[in-house]
Amino acid sequence: GAVVSQHPSWVICKSGTSVKIECRSLDFQATTMFWYRQFPKQSLMLMATSNEGSKATYEQGVEKDKFLINHASLTLSTLTVTSAHPEDSSFYICSARESGRATGANVLTFGAGSRLTVL
Amino acid sequence: AQTVTQSQPEMSVQEAETVTLSCTYDTSESNYYLFWYKQPPSRQMILVIRQEAYKQQNATENRFSVNFQKAAKSFSLKISDSQLGDTAMYFCAFSRGWSGGSNYKLTFGKGTLLTVNP
Repeated sequence: GAVVSQHPSWVICKSGTSVKIECRSLDFQATTMFWYRQFPKQSLMLMATSNEGSKATYEQGVEKDKFLINHASLTLSTLTVTSAHPEDSSFYICSARESGRATGANVLTFGAGSRLTVL
Repeated sequence: AQTVTQSQPEMSVQEAETVTLSCTYDTSESNYYLFWYKQPPSRQMILVIRQEAYKQQNATENRFSVNFQKAAKSFSLKISDSQLGDTAMYFCAFSRGWSGGSNYKLTFGKGTLLTVNP
């Protein structure tokens, strides 16, 4: 089945530094990927839609300059948390839909998530 | 905009028994999909079951089935013969039914933490 790899699974960084999280579709191409944020014991909140070869579409309230998204290829999207602060500590999850699948199969495959801790 | 509501923050069930998780949603879309995802302690999101809105027949996947009431905008999940491995957070989710880009994004409910007791 479709597999999405997310790396790193856990990262600790100092306040003020930038952290990059990668999301790779291993056995399929993904024109569209999604980035979610999840606080402890809460639901997944969509941050942005990552579009291959074009700018990401951010949800209302999400800072574009804080959370940089790049989708340079059909198998890779990256989320960079710039100048991270403790309030950015969270669990970040990516998901992808296989390109070219027939309409009627709106199933997303999720990565295992990345836990970010900012000290 | 779509909203998904799960009114049961926590539930528990005895092993081998049946449990039903509730979900309601609100949308003006006529074409959409509904999903139940499971998130165990590992936090990996796992698709449990999916329902196309245009299908009247309720989806089933082994021990998992849904009761889809389109007019009432209700989408409950029934787990039969509950197993210890079913212990997880369960999220109800909505996506638009059209193809392309942001139409595939999921809107999640707040989740229901299900504990299966031995």
